[in-house]
Amino acid sequence: DTAVSQTPKYLVTQMGNDKSIKCEQNLGHDTMYWYKQDSKKFLKIMFSYNNKELIINETVPNRFSPKSPDKAHLNLHINSLELGDSAVYFCASSQGVLAYEQYFGPGTRLTVT
Amino acid sequence: QQQVKQSPQSLIVQKGGISIINCAYENTAFDYFPWYQQFPGKGPALLIAIRPDVSEKKEGRFTISFNKSAKQFSLHIMDSQPGDSATYFCAASEEAAGNKLTFGGGTRVLVKP
Repeated sequence: DTAVSQTPKYLVTQMGNDKSIKCEQNLGHDTMYWYKQDSKKFLKIMFSYNNKELIINETVPNRFSPKSPDKAHLNLHINSLELGDSAVYFCASSQGVLAYEQYFGPGTRLTVT
Repeated sequence: QQQVKQSPQSLIVQKGGISIINCAYENTAFDYFPWYQQFPGKGPALLIAIRPDVSEKKEGRFTISFNKSAKQFSLHIMDSQPGDSATYFCAASEEAAGNKLTFGGGTRVLVKP
C-alpha cells in the first residue's frame, strides 16, 4: 500500500492553463505539506496544513492555491501556469505539526511549455 | 539567502569507501537536523536525524556528526555500497517555526562498484 500518493505523476501543459495535483495519504497523519523541487534539485516548502487548517504559507505566488477537503487529502491548484512553474512537486505528511519525520510522496513532474 | 548550505554538490566514491557530506547553518534556533535520501524518481525519505544536544548519532553505516559551536553537521556513509547511490539532503527545522524543514541544496552520491 502506498503511504503518500500523488496524481498525476507527470503533467505536461501549456502556459496560461490551470491544473491541479492531488495528494492522498493513508498513514492517518493530520499534517500535510507541498514542496517544490526545481531543476537544480533544490527542495523548498510551499504550504502545510494541519487538520485542514493552513499552518505554513511560504512566499508563493497566489496563483498557487492548496485545498484540503479532509486531513487525508491535500490538493494543489495552479492558475495561469508559467514556464517557471516547471518543477517536481512533492506532497508529504506527518503526524502532528511538531512531528519531525515527514513522509514524502513520489512527486509530480510538471512541465509547462 | 540559503539558510542551510550543503557541500559537495556531487561525490564519487568507490565501493567500500567513506562518503562524507557537510552542511552548515546560520539560524541558531534550529533544533532538529535530519538527513533525507532521495533515489531518482522517488520522494525524499528520512535517513537519520540528530538534535543539537548530541554530538554524534550512528545508525548502521550512517553517522551524523554535529558541531554546535561551528554550526555544522555532517553525514558519513561507511562502507559505501552501490545501492547508496542517491541524492542526500541535509535539513534543519525549528520547533517555534512549526518545524518547517529548510533543506540544503543536495549532494548527488555515486558509488562505483
